[in-house]
Parts: sequence; C-alpha cells; structure tokens
Amino acid sequence: DVVLTQSPATLSVTPGERISLSCRASESVDTYLHWYQQKPNESPRLLIKYASQSISGIPSRFSGSGSGTDFTLSINGVELEDLSIYYCQQGNSLPTFGAGTKLELK
Amino acid sequence: QIQLVQSGPELKKPGESVKISCKASGYTFTNYGMYWVKQAPGQGLQYMGWINTETGKPTYADDFKGRFVFFLETSASTAYLQINNLKNEDMATYFCARRSRMGIANWGQGVMVTVSS
Repeated sequence: DVVLTQSPATLSVTPGERISLSCRASESVDTYLHWYQQKPNESPRLLIKYASQSISGIPSRFSGSGSGTDFTLSINGVELEDLSIYYCQQGNSLPTFGAGTKLELK
Repeated sequence: QIQLVQSGPELKKPGESVKISCKASGYTFTNYGMYWVKQAPGQGLQYMGWINTETGKPTYADDFKGRFVFFLETSASTAYLQINNLKNEDMATYFCARRSRMGIANWGQGVMVTVSS
C-alpha cells in the first residue's frame, strides 16, 4: 500500500498568514493526490483534486501543487474558519489517507 | 443534488453485530461504486474497501477482511456495512462515500458506533 506522510502534524497559525502543508508518498502516485478539510463532527470536504485542480465552491485561497511523491497544500491568508484537520489521499492504487495536519490558532 | 444519507448512531455490546445503511440519491446508484471509511475517535481516516454497485462485488482492505461485510439493496439505492462479532476497537464513526478517482466529493454524514458492555 502507498503510505502518505503528512507534515507537520500540528501547525500553529496566525490569521492572514500564508501556510503550506506537506504530503509525501512512499511511491509515485502521479497526480492522483487529493486534499480534504475536516471539521469536528463533520464529514471530510474535498478541497483540491488531482494535486492542483480547484473545486467549485472552495475559496481561492486554497491551492495545491506537486506530482509524483511530493505534494503541498497552501492557504494564502489563513482565516479562522480554516482551523481544521487537513488530509491528503491518494487514488492511484488502493486509496490511502495521510494521518492529517491540524491547524490551530497561535 | 447528490446525497448519501446514513442511518443513525448505534450502541452495541462486544460480540454483537451492527448493520449501517447508506442511501444514495441524486444520481444513478449503479454507476458509481461505494467506499467505506472508518474514523476512530480522535484518529484519521482509514479506507475499509469498496463495493461495486453494478455487480455487488465487495473488495476489502487487508485490515477489514473477515468480520466486515459490504452488501447492497440496489432497488433501494442503498449500500450496507455489517460488522460481526464487534470488538472494542470497532468503536468509530463509519462513513460511506461515492467512489471516484477524481477525489471523493460526496460523503455520508457518518454513523457513530459505540461498543460497550
């Protein structure tokens, strides 16, 4: 199975700053890498598909990049509503998820 | 609009079985497989497997072979997850999600299963 390693596990942020979250795959997944946001007691929400493609209805401050084994989710101007857990997921083979990165307020 | 509506929370004893439903609407049920995803309390998302809604064939991830069963009631556009011989470690929220390689855009609301004697 493809293992996805997300870093950092927790990130303390200040509203307005630009941040980047990392997701590294144990083998190449091409661009079959997707990002999700999950708030407490909610289902995950798809933010970015195919590493960098935007999703209708998702604020433009969210963007993704990468291919192969190294991927990044960026938030340009963090807002309080973005304090959540973020997961990456690969769909190149049997789906797997990263362990998540939690955004908390500094 | 596409909706996946799951059944309500469950409280079970160790050794019992539980059946969770996931009713789909807003699309042709048999055109998309259904994933099942486990989330233990305070933990991340774990892929359990999927069921082919056209053929009914289930595919289980390694950690979910044996006590876990995926099945369908196609006439009702409903997928089911049954967990037999419940253990403490099965206590979690279980999500159904519409299968897609383009990212999972549609999720059920999740079902919390509590296992307690």
